[in-house]
Amino acid sequence: QQQVKQSPQSLIVQKGGISIINCAYENTAFDYFPWYQQFPGKGPALLIAIRPDVSEKKEGRFTISFNKSAKQFSLHIMDSQPGDSATYFCAASSYSGGGADGLTFGKGTHLIIQP
Amino acid sequence: GAVVSQHPSRVICKSGTSVKIECRSLDFQATTMFWYRQFPKQSLMLMATSNEGSKATYEQGVEKDKFLINHASLTLSTLTVTSAHPEDSSFYICSARPVGGIPYGYTFGSGTRLTVV
Repeated sequence: QQQVKQSPQSLIVQKGGISIINCAYENTAFDYFPWYQQFPGKGPALLIAIRPDVSEKKEGRFTISFNKSAKQFSLHIMDSQPGDSATYFCAASSYSGGGADGLTFGKGTHLIIQP
Repeated sequence: GAVVSQHPSRVICKSGTSVKIECRSLDFQATTMFWYRQFPKQSLMLMATSNEGSKATYEQGVEKDKFLINHASLTLSTLTVTSAHPEDSSFYICSARPVGGIPYGYTFGSGTRLTVV
């Protein structure tokens, strides 16, 4: 059972455009939703993360939109640049009473920004 | 910022041998570290949760006798792939959560590419 569904699988965007990647989750215990960027042969790097008490978070060109009732969240990359070409993963985890859960990842989106 | 160092970055071993991968938190303490495996063009799959001073918790389908995890200190966790076989070839990545620091933060290492020949 896939707990975090990510789409699209691949995405091509023109330089300067907006890249949008969507994720949906099933587990209502999830309360932390990060987005990671991964380049080939490297570990994932945290881009931005959100908790369910807010509906939007913006950091530079990256924005997370969160819809708790729909159990969906999305990443928007504004003014996309060729250097943004990478694989992006959404993820989710729950933090319950001192416990520490690992992240459940979406399947990833291969983003290509065309110059 | 929090930094996690993973070593080695690449390793090639013969089938049947064991390989140890180290994961160190360089500037913070981590009571909990996580080990993931990533096959080519696929997502990261959680293998196990490593807790300092206690036994690791393995995800369903992960053989605990094959993937030995030791978390002997607040800054070091190791993953040993025992009796490695070609199907164990993969990208192994660790991550750590700071103790009493930024909540919910997971910092990832740079990964280890294991090739079993």
